[in-house]
Amino acid sequence: SAVISQKPSRDICQRGTSLTIQCQVDSQVTMMFWYRQQPGQSLTLIATANQGSEATYESGFVIDKFPISRPNLTFSTLTVSNMSPEDSSIYLCSVAPGGKEKLFFGSGTQLSVL
Amino acid sequence: DQQVKQNSPSLSVQEGRISILNCDYTNSMFDYFLWYKKYPAEGPTFLISISSIKDKNEDGRFTVFLNKSAKHLSLHIVPSQPGDSAVYFCAAFLVRSGTYKYIFGTGTRLKVLA
Repeated sequence: SAVISQKPSRDICQRGTSLTIQCQVDSQVTMMFWYRQQPGQSLTLIATANQGSEATYESGFVIDKFPISRPNLTFSTLTVSNMSPEDSSIYLCSVAPGGKEKLFFGSGTQLSVL
Repeated sequence: DQQVKQNSPSLSVQEGRISILNCDYTNSMFDYFLWYKKYPAEGPTFLISISSIKDKNEDGRFTVFLNKSAKHLSLHIVPSQPGDSAVYFCAAFLVRSGTYKYIFGTGTRLKVLA
């Protein structure tokens, strides 16, 4: 299993600013996944972050908008840059420490952009 | 291109009865499937999973059925309880290019009526 601490839990931000979301895991994991859930929508994978290498971004997501850091095997950050109201979503980090059988999620960051 | 679909956005069931949540997928390369439950303001929590080599997996009140020929899986909850009221997501595991990812369905909001 894995315990994931994610912060902030929620934030209200102004258009054009940036927010960095932190994700701390209680065990070492190779891969960390960042998801976005827009209101009433599915969980959409933004990127996969491996320690020591560049994150792999899914179609429709770019590094300039969502830069990710992965300095070690227990920590990652996702930055939402130059925010617009369309970025208002829940952002979730997740890990699969035991392999494919189970993916664990943090409690999420509820972001509202005015 | 939504590779994992949950065609029923919502479902209401009487307490004590069976809840059946459905999920369809398009990619035959998926080899593992998972179900998650999500309450508001919380991250998704793992419920049950199934390998593509099986057609059924059971854990307490939860049973998942997989029909590979139809590319369809379903989650049965028996008996349903008011605490089961939440949004349910199915997810598929995909290996690609030496890495892997999880693709989520669009979710079904289950309401169990007391």
